[in-house]
Amino acid sequence: EAGVAQSPRYKIIEKRQSVAFWCNPISGHATLYWYQQILGQGPKLLIQFQNNGVVDDSQLPKDRFSAERLKGVDSTLKIQPAKLEDSAVYLCASSPQTRYTADTQYFGPGTRLTVL
Amino acid sequence: QKEVEQDPGPLSVPEGAIVSLNCTYSNSAFQYFMWYRQYSRKGPELLMYTYSSGNKEDGRFTAQVDKSSKYISLFIRDSQPSDSATYLCAMSASVLAGSTLGRLYFGRGTQLTVWP
Repeated sequence: EAGVAQSPRYKIIEKRQSVAFWCNPISGHATLYWYQQILGQGPKLLIQFQNNGVVDDSQLPKDRFSAERLKGVDSTLKIQPAKLEDSAVYLCASSPQTRYTADTQYFGPGTRLTVL
Repeated sequence: QKEVEQDPGPLSVPEGAIVSLNCTYSNSAFQYFMWYRQYSRKGPELLMYTYSSGNKEDGRFTAQVDKSSKYISLFIRDSQPSDSATYLCAMSASVLAGSTLGRLYFGRGTQLTVWP
């Protein structure tokens, strides 16, 4: 079974620029998550999708971050404009449709963003 | 106060040692407790999952939950160099897929090195 795919793996931008990350979840997984992991910290949930719909985006800085999940499969996360404090690893995770498996999240390798 | 507290280490032990990793938490609603392992430049992978209080054993790994003390532990017996990684505790109030209660709260991770 193929894992969660993310691209790019690394990105360096200057502050105030825009950036987008892409995630392809495990086939058939209905739930998709984006996390932000700042160096030395645990992952923090930014947004959770169930199929096409947003379940939880309460921790997403909506003035600069946006995310969408096209046709309930792939997802993109965008930052516009980026700030220095956005430097982090952005992790995508997915989990199956089954009702009681929210705990089993499969993570991708992440995109490491550096904002200069 | 953070929802989940975890000593970041680093922890360095010789091969064969018993390792003890711990987390404390403040939210009494948490019922589902997980340990993730994260190798360098990789996404977290689920290692152990327990519900409510008690112990769970899987090979060399034992997870313990003490809800009365809001304290969870992961023990690694006969540690191996391949166990060298960052160990993240995570917890949630619900395991329902698509539920905001299922949001995972992560500790900051403990960096473990097992030397031969």
